Amino acid sequence: SYVLTQLPSLSVAPGQTASITCDGDNIERKSVHWYQQKTGQAPLLVVYDDSDRPSTIPARFSGSNSGDTATLTITGVEVGDEADYFCQVWDSGRDYHVVFGGGTKLTVL
Amino acid sequence: EVQLVESGGGLVQPGRSLRLSCTTSGFTFSDYPMNWVRQAPGKGLEWIGFIRSTSYGGTVVEAASMKDRFSISRDDSKNITYLQMKSLTTDDTGIYYCSRFSGYDPAAYSLDFWGRGTLVTVSS
Repeated sequence: SYVLTQLPSLSVAPGQTASITCDGDNIERKSVHWYQQKTGQAPLLVVYDDSDRPSTIPARFSGSNSGDTATLTITGVEVGDEADYFCQVWDSGRDYHVVFGGGTKLTVL
Repeated sequence: EVQLVESGGGLVQPGRSLRLSCTTSGFTFSDYPMNWVRQAPGKGLEWIGFIRSTSYGGTVVEAASMKDRFSISRDDSKNITYLQMKSLTTDDTGIYYCSRFSGYDPAAYSLDFWGRGTLVTVSS
């Protein structure tokens, strides 16, 4: 089955840029979606189809996808961005179809 | 406004069954595939399965590890999707979320709206 790998944690200072990566075999051939989950809340879609944003998501959130790595970038990180971030793809393998990465905990120092 | 509200969670003994509901509003429910995801305490997101829209057959696709005990259904007349779970174990403890695929083809679309989830605790 297809595996998405994310670093467990990332710390950045307010105002800095956070780059959250999601590694998968030839992931550039898939559409990658990103979800933000704050403590005690449901996941929230922040980037879809590699780099598009829902209208309610600030432009500080952007995405890219190349080779074996997709990246969610948050510029000008704010304290309120502290959350878990999960990447997700669709895989046509036998076992799982919706595949989530393990998540990255973003801490804003 | 799109809303998804899960219900039916609670404390259940190992080996028992439970049915969760996801009541929706604010969109044409019958047009959308619906999805279930769970999250064990302190863990990541685990996909359970989805059900296609009725116009695309209403067929169900489930994760291989789930299909023996979990089943998904929908009632378009009530705008509800269900998750039936049986032979529950302590490993099934967690928050269960329903979510909506943003388009008819799950392979091409994201999960654009989520409910707040319902907590299932399996314990004796």
